[in-house]
Amino acid sequence: GAGVSQSPSNKVTEKGKDVELRCDPISGHTALYWYRQSLGQGLEFLIYFQGNSAPDKSGLPSDRFSAERTGGSVSTLTIQRTQQEDSAVYLCASSPGQGVNGELFFGEGSRLTVL
Amino acid sequence: GDSVTQMEGPVTLSEEAFLTINCTYTATGYPSLFWYVQYPGEGLQLLLKATKADDKGSNKGFEATYRKETTSFHLEKGSVQVSDSAVYFCALAELAGSYQLTFGKGTKLSVIP
Repeated sequence: GAGVSQSPSNKVTEKGKDVELRCDPISGHTALYWYRQSLGQGLEFLIYFQGNSAPDKSGLPSDRFSAERTGGSVSTLTIQRTQQEDSAVYLCASSPGQGVNGELFFGEGSRLTVL
Repeated sequence: GDSVTQMEGPVTLSEEAFLTINCTYTATGYPSLFWYVQYPGEGLQLLLKATKADDKGSNKGFEATYRKETTSFHLEKGSVQVSDSAVYFCALAELAGSYQLTFGKGTKLSVIP
């Protein structure tokens, strides 16, 4: 597509349920990033993919969070046993290469609300 | 660790007013600096960047100068328009080729006619 596409745009779930958030990056972009934006906070880095591999998973807040990327394209962020503190906007971005001295292209985000 | 501090919002200005959004950073190395903007209902997009001291990034009438001596990268615009209403994020990347951006908390700007 023309830009980074994320789905769902809004998700309301009950505490304890699992959720999956999807990101479809710009075609040809090898790098993919997940960030989390909580109310009143900046963007928190979660994970980075170069191709299908994730060199750095240290930003994931807990072992309830996991992410994968297949075919060097679509990525899924999974949150298991959701908690209320997981409520946030989850942003995905992609870029053509490895470094951020270029430009990151962001999707509109998936807003997660955990009741 | 690295951090970015930007002025608290929200900021409300009248059309054609002068805008400054302050941004200071802490980094162990020699980072690249960025301003991203998020218009209502849209994803973040790069507004401007600077990669070395005294560089000036500019775009759409906005400017920011990389000041190493004051570790600052303040965003300015001489005459704002209603269409500039958005959330502005200052960010840094520590190393050349680094994959991780460290963002400030964002400053919401509202411009009224």
